[in-house]
Formats: sequence, structure tokens, C-alpha cells
Amino acid sequence: GAGVSQSPSNKVTEKGKDVELRCDPISGHTALYWYRQSLGQGLEFLIYFQGNSAPDKSGLPSDRFSAERTGGSVSTLTIQRTQQEDSAVYLCASRAGGGQETQYFGPGTRLLVL
Amino acid sequence: GQQLNQSPQSMFIQEGEDVSMNCTSSSIFNTWLWYKQEPGEGPVLLIALYKAGELTSNGRLTAQFGITRKDSFLNISASIPSDVGIYFCAGRQVSGSARQLTFGSGTQLTVLP
Repeated sequence: GAGVSQSPSNKVTEKGKDVELRCDPISGHTALYWYRQSLGQGLEFLIYFQGNSAPDKSGLPSDRFSAERTGGSVSTLTIQRTQQEDSAVYLCASRAGGGQETQYFGPGTRLLVL
Repeated sequence: GQQLNQSPQSMFIQEGEDVSMNCTSSSIFNTWLWYKQEPGEGPVLLIALYKAGELTSNGRLTAQFGITRKDSFLNISASIPSDVGIYFCAGRQVSGSARQLTFGSGTQLTVLP
């Protein structure tokens, strides 16, 4: 597709379960970002991948959160032992690189932890 | 981390009115971006600004990169119902070591018919 896609679009899980969220960036984009958006709030940076460089994990809120990007394309954000405060919209964005600043966002995954 | 102060937090306006919102920072930014987010969707880029003093329009939208490089504003003229949504400013700090954007907390815009 032409844009960033994310799956699932919605996820309901029970407290303590693990979840995996997937992001397919725009083809050819070298940079990929994960953000968290709580209800009525702005975007909270989680993690950033750029090419083959080590990811910037400075925004991950706890060691229950991890992400990987395989083959420089698809990324998976994993939340282990989910807590109710993890409920939020998780947004993925990609950027072309080469000095381009603009990030293009996917529609997000709405996570609800019961 | 660095936060942008975005105001107002919410606005209720009549259709046809003009709207103005702004973002300020205590740090210098070298890029300002304005996004719009509609319910159930991810943010969509409206305008990108790369030079201090730059004034850029996109239809009824106009945004400016402040001369001090610490602020930006977005104006919407002659608002219409489809302008409803949350508008976010985002910027990249000059001192930033990575290609990260800092986002404002958003302005929720409601347009009344």
C-alpha cells in the first residue's frame, strides 16, 4: 500500500497477557517510530529505528515494552504482562530519511487492557 | 523530555470563522510541522516549515515558523465542519541528537454549524 499500515486496528486483552502490535512502513522509508497516545493526550515517543543503527529506546516506559524491526521494514512492538495503564492508541510512523523530517503516520492500534 | 506548549487546548467556533493556534518552546527548533488527527485515524501532515520566518499556506491553512525559532502558529480561515479534529504541532530541536519530533498536546477544534 501507499501508506503506513498497522495491525490489529483494535486489541482487547486481559491484564497480564502479552500483546504484539505490527507496523508496515511506507516502502523505502528508512526510519520508523512508535508513539503512544493516551485518551485526549499528545503523542509520547517510545522508540525509533533508523536503518541498521541501534534503535533509540529512550522513550520506552518500562522493560515490559520492546520493539524490533526485521529486515529494515516491518516492526513489531511487544508489551509483556500488560497493565491497565497500557491502554492507549499506539501509533507507528515512518520517514524517508535523507534529511526529510516529515513523519507519516499509520491509523494506530487501539489497545484496551481489561 | 522537552515539551511544546500548545494553545488553546480546545476551541469551539462557528462555521465561517477564522481560527488561530500556536506552539511555543523554551528551546530552539529547526523544523516545525503541523498535523491534523481525525477520530480513529493517525495524524496527517498539513504543513511543514524549515526556515525561521517562513510563512507557508495550504489552501485555507497558513502556518509560520517564528523568527525566534521557538514558536509557530497555524491559522485556518473560513472554517468548515470538516475542519473538526485535533491539531498537533511538532518540532525538531536544533540540539536533538536523533531524528525525533517533540509533539504538542494538541488543540481540539469543534466547528459549530
